[in-house]
Amino acid sequence: GENVEQHPSTLSVQEGDSAVIKCTYSDSASNYFPWYKQELGKRPQLIIDIRSNVGEKKDQRIAVTLNKTAKHFSLHITETQPEDSAVYFCAASYNYGQNFVFGPGTRLSVLP
Amino acid sequence: DTAVSQTPKYLVTQMGNDKSIKCEQNLGHDTMYWYKQDSKKFLKIMFSYNNKELIINETVPNRFSPKSPDKAHLNLHINSLELGDSAVYFCASSQGDRPSGNTIYFGEGSWLTVV
Repeated sequence: GENVEQHPSTLSVQEGDSAVIKCTYSDSASNYFPWYKQELGKRPQLIIDIRSNVGEKKDQRIAVTLNKTAKHFSLHITETQPEDSAVYFCAASYNYGQNFVFGPGTRLSVLP
Repeated sequence: DTAVSQTPKYLVTQMGNDKSIKCEQNLGHDTMYWYKQDSKKFLKIMFSYNNKELIINETVPNRFSPKSPDKAHLNLHINSLELGDSAVYFCASSQGDRPSGNTIYFGEGSWLTVV
């Protein structure tokens, strides 16, 4: 089955700096890669996603890149703000979402 | 108006008891899930149902029994609760068949504490 690894497990950045979180997946059949943000005590919520036929996708300060050959994808957050502090989960699925496998999460702290 | 709603939000119970968590989605989705999030924040899928049929059943003790009376509801019943069952349980749903990708929508979570 699919296995998703995520690094780093914790990340601290100064406000205004960039943050990068990387994930690798094992199943070459995976074709959909969403990222979720979970604030303390809240539910995980989708922030951006990418399909296997796209190499990069951007939404304001957030971008995701995908390298299918290497089987890894990354989340990039620019100009970080304190409200970006949360746990971020990457996920991989095949059949465009029939079975999601989540990474272990990255706790991002943005320091003022 | 909540898209995925689950009850109760908080549940404290003694070891050995039996408890249920209910989930309903009003998004018209075909697929529903139960995820368990432990103290280390790992999100692990437990079950997935598509149109009331079980399609994913991960290695979960048979004390956990999901029930889907219709595609808008997926309830979780837990027998003989153990200390290790303490976690946050998230219900979720997705359309399941959209080629553009299927976002998972999570409920608010049910905080289960077994004492």
